[in-house]
Amino acid sequence: DQQVKQNSPSLSVQEGRISILNCDYTNSMFDYFLWYKKYPAEGPTFLISISSIKDKNEDGRFTVFLNKSAKHLSLHIVPSQPGDSAVYFCAASVYAGNMLTFGGGTRLMVKP
Amino acid sequence: NAGVMQNPRHLVRRRGQEARLRCSPMKGHSHVYWYRQLPEEGLKFMVYLQKENIIDESGMPKERFSAEFPKEGPSILRIQQVVRGDSAAYFCASSSYRDRASGANVLTFGAGSRLTVL
Repeated sequence: DQQVKQNSPSLSVQEGRISILNCDYTNSMFDYFLWYKKYPAEGPTFLISISSIKDKNEDGRFTVFLNKSAKHLSLHIVPSQPGDSAVYFCAASVYAGNMLTFGGGTRLMVKP
Repeated sequence: NAGVMQNPRHLVRRRGQEARLRCSPMKGHSHVYWYRQLPEEGLKFMVYLQKENIIDESGMPKERFSAEFPKEGPSILRIQQVVRGDSAAYFCASSSYRDRASGANVLTFGAGSRLTVL
């Protein structure tokens, strides 16, 4: 029972263009959504988050959009840089102190 | 990731042996989460512990797996009689802060322990 899904296992983007990573969820009780980035042989590192009362949160080149009615969120990276090449995981929690449920990840490759 | 320390980074075991993975959370933190990442998959929650207590073990396999977080020392994830399907990366995390933008509880992860079962 996958409550958080990332349907695109990989994405390739040219440097300078926009990267859009998508995530769908099924549990309407999720209150918080987070994006993590992971390089090989390292642990995931936190990138950006959004609460269910918002529909957008922006931090520099990274913007997360939340569409609650569609149970869908996306991460936009503009402009994409080669150093952004990594696996991106979306995650969700029912309340702030609860454990995170992760999607399967999307491997982003930014070509110079 | 420097705040959450995991060891060993790599562990090789033969089928039937025991694996012990250790995690020291960020300084001052008394709660840890264990996650497992199977090859080509996402991170799956296993267990959430505080010192001397298991808070949530809903993700732990029913057999062969156990976790503890004693009053003194690191948290330990123990896998008895390992099988090839246990080969995975095991990540530990502790709650580092609330994200000011959303209020979300941000977990900081260690670099992981990669278990290979021959």
